[in-house]
Amino acid sequence: EPEVTQTPSHQVTQMGQEVILRCVPISNHLYFYWYRQILGQKVEFLVSFYNNEISEKSEIFDDQFSVERPDGSNFTLKIRSTKLEDSAMYFCASSEPTQGSGNTIYFGEGSWLTVV
Amino acid sequence: GNSVTQMEGPVTLSEEAFLTINCTYTATGYPSLFWYVQYPGEGLQLLLKATKADDKGSNKGFEATYRKETTSFHLEKGSVQVSDSAVYFCALRGVTTSGTYKYIFGTGTRLKVLA
Repeated sequence: EPEVTQTPSHQVTQMGQEVILRCVPISNHLYFYWYRQILGQKVEFLVSFYNNEISEKSEIFDDQFSVERPDGSNFTLKIRSTKLEDSAMYFCASSEPTQGSGNTIYFGEGSWLTVV
Repeated sequence: GNSVTQMEGPVTLSEEAFLTINCTYTATGYPSLFWYVQYPGEGLQLLLKATKADDKGSNKGFEATYRKETTSFHLEKGSVQVSDSAVYFCALRGVTTSGTYKYIFGTGTRLKVLA
């Protein structure tokens, strides 16, 4: 069964450093997402991406965050200058080409980011 | 705006007990409703979904019925197993005020099943 894959599974970085989290969405999907989950808390929406541009972003997704689809398969989340509060599990997700309310989004296994 | 409220955990049950995890929602229009499960150390996996009122989603012995009149989507299982121990997230996918579709997740309910 096709799946969303993410790398790295775990990264430890120093405060102020740049981090890039990588994702390979399911191949025929056209909508891509990043969510995050701070330990023990709810899953929070960060950003959605379609047709090579951001379609929606949350208030969490400020200027230190950016997303990119550098080629036909990868979808990346960059955090420019990490803060301690960025420590979280970051989930990439993708969904099918149609934008109906019933569309399921499929999640990767997550990238656990620890900022020290 | 759209929101999801689910019961606080943790929920601790003995094996073979009946499980209910409550979930209610507020939304404009006609959202789709989902339950996701997160096993320890893993990502989010879709457990079941329902796309319209009175639909029943089911998978692996779990069920949930989309109740528009009570705006609820409670998760149930008749006989839980130790392997069901996980965090369960209720979610909705509905239209936002800007006209796009977005997933909203509940806070998650941790289930622990004891042998």
